Amino acid sequence: AQSVTQPDIHITVSEGASLELRCNYSYGATPYLFWYVQSPGQGLQLLLKYFSGDTLVQGIKGFEAEFKRSQSSFNLRKPSVHWSDAAEYFCAVGASGDMRFGAGTRLTVKP
Amino acid sequence: DGGITQSPKYLFRKEGQNVTLSCEQNLNHDAMYWYRQDPGQGLRLIYYSQIVNDFQKGDIAEGYSVSREKKESFPLTVTSAQKNPTAFYLCASRSWGQANTEAFFGQGTRLTVV
Repeated sequence: AQSVTQPDIHITVSEGASLELRCNYSYGATPYLFWYVQSPGQGLQLLLKYFSGDTLVQGIKGFEAEFKRSQSSFNLRKPSVHWSDAAEYFCAVGASGDMRFGAGTRLTVKP
Repeated sequence: DGGITQSPKYLFRKEGQNVTLSCEQNLNHDAMYWYRQDPGQGLRLIYYSQIVNDFQKGDIAEGYSVSREKKESFPLTVTSAQKNPTAFYLCASRSWGQANTEAFFGQGTRLTVV
């Protein structure tokens, strides 16, 4: 069975600082990995996805993520955080049938 | 515009009543999903359907039921057997058979049972 762990429930960073959100996955075959963002009371929006090729993937809003098979990780990064990035972030792994999500990391941005 | 529509956005029901949440998509996606979201627990899979007239239980199917009579529609019924139904419910759809495709989400329905 596939599963996702996001070790950090809540992270606070200052505006302009760099950001890294952690994600570890468990899946027996080649993983298909996704990062989503959710604003309060809204649905989820895709930031980026990985399924093959270059292990560093670029997404929207200046986000990127790096796939590391040896560490079973798919961490999300952004060089300089903006106040509008405050939201909840979810990592997901998708097999051919279903898609499983982590518990999410809530990001707070300090002025 | 193409997308997923969930209705209503807010729903209030008395304890012991069944309630049905609507989810419609016009993306021509084969697969549809229902997730429940509670604070600190992320999205937990309730049911999913890969094709019309077929669906599978997810991790927390007890107390819920679904149907998939049309490709576009995947309604979720929260029955009186669901012990703690108050939550935020999200519907999603995705191309079937392509694991590298992302899921598209509706805006959610917040159900409150009093």
